[in-house]
Amino acid sequence: SQTIHQWPATLVQPVGSPLSLECTVEGTSNPNLYWYRQAAGRGLQLLFYSVGIGQISSEVPQNLSASRPQDRQFILSSKKLLLSDSGFYLCAWSRTSRAPHYGYTFGSGTRLTVV
Amino acid sequence: AQSVTQPDIHITVSEGASLELRCNYSYGATPYLFWYVQSPGQGLQLLLKYFSGDTLVQGIKGFEAEFKRSQSSFNLRKPSVHWSDAAEYFCAVGASGGSNYKLTFGKGTLLTVNP
Repeated sequence: SQTIHQWPATLVQPVGSPLSLECTVEGTSNPNLYWYRQAAGRGLQLLFYSVGIGQISSEVPQNLSASRPQDRQFILSSKKLLLSDSGFYLCAWSRTSRAPHYGYTFGSGTRLTVV
Repeated sequence: AQSVTQPDIHITVSEGASLELRCNYSYGATPYLFWYVQSPGQGLQLLLKYFSGDTLVQGIKGFEAEFKRSQSSFNLRKPSVHWSDAAEYFCAVGASGGSNYKLTFGKGTLLTVNP
């Protein structure tokens, strides 16, 4: 069966420090991968998605970047965190667009607090 | 582009009462529709999905949803709510085609259950 791992679960970082959140998927190959952010009471905001190694699409301009160095690994990064980067970050995967009815499977999330 | 509206930001029901959470979507073709549930500090869990066939779909935890094309709706229902159902619920619509398969999420409905 497929599983998705996301870490760390919680993170407190000072303003101006770097960030690296990691997400890995097991039990499947060539998944579509996604990074979402949830700010309090504001729903889900799609940040990045990837359909393959090295292929990253950004949905909104921001202080963050994403990379996909391996097929089942998706990394969210920042060189210098801002207070506004605080939030709950979710990684998700889906099968390719040929099977859209499977939907997304989400990781358990990372609570990031920038202080 | 597809869109999802969840008209109710917050709903409060008593334990044992029936529940209906509303979801309206906008999409030009037959949509793929999903309901997810999120407990505090957790990732999103798939409750149920519709992509073809019977318009009344059953999901986990006793939930069901009905697809009504004429009303562009996919409302979530449960005949008797349990205290453990308190969570945030997200409706989502997906579209196939191309490599950039994405789900579009509503802003969520927060469910509070009174004892």
